[in-house]
Order: sequence, then C-alpha cells, then structure tokens
Amino acid sequence: GAVVSQHPSWVICKSGTSVKIECRSLDFQATTMFWYRQFPKQSLMLMATSNEGSKATYEQGVEKDKFLINHASLTLSTLTVTSAHPEDSSFYICSARETVQGANYEQYFGPGTRLTVT
Amino acid sequence: AQSVAQPEDQVNVAEGNPLTVKCTYSVSGNPYLFWYVQYPNRGLQFLLKYITGDNLVKGSYGFEAEFNKSQTSFHLKKPSALVSDSALYFCAVRDFLNTGGFKTIFGAGTRLFVKA
Repeated sequence: GAVVSQHPSWVICKSGTSVKIECRSLDFQATTMFWYRQFPKQSLMLMATSNEGSKATYEQGVEKDKFLINHASLTLSTLTVTSAHPEDSSFYICSARETVQGANYEQYFGPGTRLTVT
Repeated sequence: AQSVAQPEDQVNVAEGNPLTVKCTYSVSGNPYLFWYVQYPNRGLQFLLKYITGDNLVKGSYGFEAEFNKSQTSFHLKKPSALVSDSALYFCAVRDFLNTGGFKTIFGAGTRLFVKA
C-alpha cells in the first residue's frame, strides 16, 4: 500500500520557539493532505486540510497563525507550530489522500510526530 | 451543537463472532461519516466513509457500516471478528457549517478486544 512518512518522529523544543513537521507521500501524489492532533486521552482532532498549491483550510477553532501549513508539492506538506507553548505538546498525525477512480479516494496516515514543548 | 458519541469505551468479542462498534451523531445538516482504526504500533488507518448513496458502506478488512438517518447512527460491523481486529476505533463526522466552513468531529474512540 501507499506510504506516508513524517519527520521528525519526535521533537522536543523550548517554549517560544517554532518547530516544523514534514509529511511526505512516498510513492504516490497527494493533492490533499490532512493534519490531525491526538490528545493524551486518545481523542483526535482534524486541524486542517491542505491542497497542493493553495492555502490550507482550517477547521473551526484552529488558529491558522499558530499552526502554519504549507503544501508546496504533490508529495510534501509541512506543519509549523509557531511560538510553541507547553499546551501545544501533542501527537501530530498527517495523512495524504490518493485519488482512485475519480471521486473515490484512499487516505493514508503517517506514523505521527510526538511534540513536547518544555 | 455538533457531537459524536461512541457509547462504549470497550467492546469484547470472541473470535468468529460478529462485532458491532456503535456511533451516533448530532449535526445540523447532511454529514459525511467516517470510521478509522488505530492499531497498536501501526498508526491510524482509514476504514470507510459514507457521503451519499447506498446506506450500507463496505470498507477495508471486511468491515462495513450502515448509515441510519432516522436514528442518526453509523455503526461499524463485521460478520466474523479476528484477533487481529483488536484495536482502537474512531468514528468521525464532517459537518458543513452555515458560515461556509466545516468541522470534523471525532468520537472518543472504542477499544475492541477480540479473544481467541
């Protein structure tokens, strides 16, 4: 099946700094990628949907200036957590969507990135 | 208010028996509905989705889900459970807002244990 990678798999940063997380589709082109956040008690939240070459669409309640998303190519999307705070510590997961047979699609997830802000 | 409920934190099933993981939702319009699975040490996977059309949706690994509009439910089912189905299952609803945006809400997750 299709593979999605994330880098780094874990990162520790200091409060006030910015950190970038990369999401790559390794063997397919993804016009659409998604960024999720998984909280300590396992609940998931979709943060935003990014389409290659256009601005990301953020879910209601997600700060677009804090979580910058760039989908510069058909195989790469990045999430930058700006001015990170301890409450941004979380597990961030990306997924990439492959279009199959017109309107149908398959969605593949990356392994996630554990962010800890100290 | 929009919400998704997975009423069971945990479901225990014997291998070979049918399984059901429940999901009910409350949204303002016609939602898109999804099921995802998170296997231990393997990350999230997409199982199936309902957007429109046939109420019975078939997905990966032999799973299916039935959209029931009157009961606002989208229960996940499988006729014969495997030990390898043991995982954490998430139901999600995507609702389109009056403001023109949209929001995806996830249920809290249901942990499925299948005993050999």
